[in-house]
Amino acid sequence: SQQGEEDPQALSIQEGENATMNCSYKTSINNLQWYRQNSGRGLVHLILIRSNEREKHSGRLRVTLDTSKKSSSLLITASRAADTASYFCATGGGTGKLIFGQGTTLQVKP
Amino acid sequence: DGGITQSPKYLFRKEGQNVTLSCEQNLNHDAMYWYRQDPGQGLRLIYYSQIVNDFQKGDIAEGYSVSREKKESFPLTVTSAQKNPTAFYLCASSAAVGTGPNEKLFFGSGTQLSVL
Repeated sequence: SQQGEEDPQALSIQEGENATMNCSYKTSINNLQWYRQNSGRGLVHLILIRSNEREKHSGRLRVTLDTSKKSSSLLITASRAADTASYFCATGGGTGKLIFGQGTTLQVKP
Repeated sequence: DGGITQSPKYLFRKEGQNVTLSCEQNLNHDAMYWYRQDPGQGLRLIYYSQIVNDFQKGDIAEGYSVSREKKESFPLTVTSAQKNPTAFYLCASSAAVGTGPNEKLFFGSGTQLSVL
């Protein structure tokens, strides 16, 4: 079962612009994580936000979490061509199972 | 050089054949996972293991089997009962289970399995 639904499915922007991706989920969570996947490669962990946190920053990444709406957003500021990848949210309920969304494919044009 | 190693990178399966995908980690992680990814899709959990000699089914375990005889190894066998095995298989590990920050996953580089 897929917990998260991501929006948009695909996003194309120019270098230097900001990119925003959204994730909605269905059940209660302990934490929500964002991962990045370059084509044909494994996923790389970007950031984890706990259920009692509302916002978190890491470099050019900003993640928000609204547990009342069961949604999260990932903002990438000042995007670069190297940010081109697929981005996935994943929810953890404390059981050891992470449930992944279907991902947003981001293309950053130079 | 710490991390997770998956092999082979590409694997071809003939009809009726069982194939085994290797996953080894030297991160001293307790938990290991197998995910399946179909083109343009997210990841679906096949099996996971939180400790040696124990594992649990994920959402799509039918047609797959695993073992966890050693902490660092978690091989996945795709059996002939799995009728649609063509996919990208990803192995992952995490330091702990249910402790929030330590639940982040470290992934291998994947195995692409195709049917001949």
